Amino acid sequence: KAGVTQTPRYLIKTRGQQVTLSCSPISGHRSVSWYQQTPGQGLQFLFEYFSETQRNKGNFPGRFSGRQFSNSRSEMNVSTLELGDSALYLCASTRSSGNEQFFGPGTRLTVL
Amino acid sequence: TQLLEQSPQFLSIQEGENLTVYCNSSSVFSSLQWYRQEPGEGPVLLVTVVTGGEVKKLKRLTFQFGDARKDSSLHITAAQPGDTGLYLCAGHMTTDSWGKLQFGAGTQVVVTP
Repeated sequence: KAGVTQTPRYLIKTRGQQVTLSCSPISGHRSVSWYQQTPGQGLQFLFEYFSETQRNKGNFPGRFSGRQFSNSRSEMNVSTLELGDSALYLCASTRSSGNEQFFGPGTRLTVL
Repeated sequence: TQLLEQSPQFLSIQEGENLTVYCNSSSVFSSLQWYRQEPGEGPVLLVTVVTGGEVKKLKRLTFQFGDARKDSSLHITAAQPGDTGLYLCAGHMTTDSWGKLQFGAGTQVVVTP
């Protein structure tokens, strides 16, 4: 069974630009969660999508948004990038009846 | 401030030694998970504990969930260089859906031959 896949793996952007990251969950998993990981703050929850609806949201500004498609694939978007948005963005999927999250390899975003 | 406090932050030991990592909170969790993360990769799930007082063993790794479901520990016996990595505890709060995890800051473990 294929794991969680994330594209792209690496991305370099400049301040003020916007970026879209993609996540394909494990087949059959309907919940997709996004996390930001930085050396200073560790892993912080961004949001969770289930059946194309946002089910949970973390404490991030409105520049961070996401969506989920009918095939459970998810995208997250960050607008007006700031230097502090440089981080490893991780996506995780969960079975509908499960309590375990399985993570993708992440997208390393660098903002210059 | 993070809901889950991990200690120590860093641990460097020789191959063959034992180590314990702690994860503590003042909040109750419906379940708690331990992950190991390699540089540049996503966390890999090691174990999930859901019952207070539960002990799970995974080869040389022993995981314990506190009776009150507020704390957990990870013990590695006879550590090997392959155990090197960032160990993260993460919990589901009883009020949150399964898709939201609260993470500890992590414990960097280095095992030298």
